[in-house]
Amino acid sequence: SQELEQSPQSLIVQEGKNLTINCTSSKTLYGLYWYKQKYGEGLIFLMMLQKGGEEKSHEKITAKLDEKKQQSSLHITASQPSHAGIYLCGAEIYGGSQGNLIFGKGTKLSVKP
Amino acid sequence: GEEVAQTPKHLVRGEGQKAKLYCAPIKGHSYVFWYQQVLKNEFKFLISFQNENVFDETGMPKERFSAKCLPNSPCSLEIQATKLEDSAVYFCASSQSGEKLFFGSGTQLSVL
Repeated sequence: SQELEQSPQSLIVQEGKNLTINCTSSKTLYGLYWYKQKYGEGLIFLMMLQKGGEEKSHEKITAKLDEKKQQSSLHITASQPSHAGIYLCGAEIYGGSQGNLIFGKGTKLSVKP
Repeated sequence: GEEVAQTPKHLVRGEGQKAKLYCAPIKGHSYVFWYQQVLKNEFKFLISFQNENVFDETGMPKERFSAKCLPNSPCSLEIQATKLEDSAVYFCASSQSGEKLFFGSGTQLSVL
């Protein structure tokens, strides 16, 4: 079955530092999503990537999908305490319906002021 | 509304009792999805709807779980005869086209 591996599992960075979170699949990714979750809250949609080589940015967050569509990265520039939370990648499974997503186990990000 | 609204936020049930969760999708979104989050980060797809029609129910347990999306009513997820292992956070999401899912804040179900 298809699985998403996220790394690292957790990350502590000093405010102002850059960081990268990775999401890897053994199979081709379709509709790769990045979400952020804070404790007790729902998932906040960050970005969706579909095409190989695609890159999207929003404020200080950039997400990329590699050409083979098997790996995605999320990069945060000049991190702030507001970036703290759990980052999840999700992807549509091969042969599955739209919106039927599998998720990685998440990366817990802490930003020290 | 502008966001996916889930009620209640918390629900406590004794084992064997029924649990019913509600979800109002974002206005104009025709797709609704239910996910179960167990052990903090293990998300599992349950079921999706396109308007009031079941779109994909491959993740729904065969027994005790049912869901509906009726016109002019919030969507619902019902669990009959709850078991301890049903304890989880249940998330609803909606989408305009089946892509770009927007999630609600979830309902924390505790079965005691």
